[in-house]
Amino acid sequence: GAVVSQHPSRVICKSGTSVKIECRSLDFQATTMFWYRQFPKQSLMLMATSNEGSKATYEQGVEKDKFLINHASLTLSTLTVTSAHPEDSSFYICSASVEGETQYFGPGTRLLVL
Amino acid sequence: SQQGEEDPQALSIQEGENATMNCSYKTSINNLQWYRQNSGRGLVHLILIRSNEREKHSGRLRVTLDTSKKSSSLLITASRAADTASYFCATEDTGFQKLVFGTGTRLLVSP
Repeated sequence: GAVVSQHPSRVICKSGTSVKIECRSLDFQATTMFWYRQFPKQSLMLMATSNEGSKATYEQGVEKDKFLINHASLTLSTLTVTSAHPEDSSFYICSASVEGETQYFGPGTRLLVL
Repeated sequence: SQQGEEDPQALSIQEGENATMNCSYKTSINNLQWYRQNSGRGLVHLILIRSNEREKHSGRLRVTLDTSKKSSSLLITASRAADTASYFCATEDTGFQKLVFGTGTRLLVSP
């Protein structure tokens, strides 16, 4: 089956620093990748959709300058949380899909900002 | 778009019993999907039902879809302790590929 990995799985950082999270499709080429955020005991909220080689489309209320998304290849997308603050602490999950097909989810990255 | 609603929010049953979770949504959809999430982990895709389908089975899972009521149900038969997890429905809206997740049901299956 299609496998999506995320790195790191867990990160702790100081307030004001930037954190980069990688999402990779390991055995398929993903035309589209999605980034979600999940707060404790809540559902997943879509942050942005990215297509390889083009700018990401952000959901309403998500600051594009704070959550930088780069989708440089068909197997890699990165999410950079810039100048992270404690309220950015959350579980970030990516998914990848071939256009029009099922999304395959990564295992998630838990971010804790102190 | 707004999240779907799931009920119950939490469900506690004994091994061997059946578990039923319901999902309601608000928009026109291409398909509806069910996912499982173990605590602090990623999502596992369980089953997808298209808007022109009414029922689908996969192992111990049975999913129904009623587009006139904009609702779906997930039935897990003969539950096991390993089924303990949160279950989410997600709809793919017509014309869009992105998924809108429901609020989730936390299922606890006791041995």
